[in-house]
Amino acid sequence: DVKVTQSSRYLVKRTGEKVFLECVQDMDHENMFWYRQDPGLGLRLIYFSYDVKMKEKGDIPEGYSVSREKKERFSLILESASTNQTSMYLCASSLGLISPLHFGNGTRLTVT
Amino acid sequence: TQLLEQSPQFLSIQEGENLTVYCNSSSVFSSLQWYRQEPGEGPVLLVTVVTGGEVKKLKRLTFQFGDARKDSSLHITAAQPGDTGLYLCAGAGSGNTPLVFGKGTRLSVIA
Repeated sequence: DVKVTQSSRYLVKRTGEKVFLECVQDMDHENMFWYRQDPGLGLRLIYFSYDVKMKEKGDIPEGYSVSREKKERFSLILESASTNQTSMYLCASSLGLISPLHFGNGTRLTVT
Repeated sequence: TQLLEQSPQFLSIQEGENLTVYCNSSSVFSSLQWYRQEPGEGPVLLVTVVTGGEVKKLKRLTFQFGDARKDSSLHITAAQPGDTGLYLCAGAGSGNTPLVFGKGTRLSVIA
């Protein structure tokens, strides 16, 4: 069974802090994704990666960056956290770019 | 830009009732995926439909892909409280871009 593990279920950070969200998958998937989920707005793609060290902007990349140094790990970085980045963050992986996604259980981030 | 519209946005029904949720677009998709997300968890794939007109059944859930591959529906027969959750549809385009997600239908089944 594919497992996507997000390092934290809940995080509380202060405005201006640098925040790292970590995601690890154990199925050797090429593609990894970061989404944020907000009520009424659905899932919005922040960044995705189709290979090690490769990254592509999604629909809402502003204020975020990513890192993929190893195939199994995809990190989301909030360079200077702001209150409007309070959200549920979901990581996912897939074999192909449009293959079914395997999601982690999410990180609920609160920025105060 | 490809968009997927899901309706209704919210649905609250009694146990035992039937329901249908819809996923519509003006764009053609090569395939469409349905996910269910329960509180505190990530979405989980239910089914993928690929061929226009295709019907797939998963116990009490019936999924249909429109003939023109622009829309899909999910029908639940005799809903149970365990069906409660957020239902998301996601469309696959040409293969060069990631999946497009609808905003979801939040279903609540009351015992």
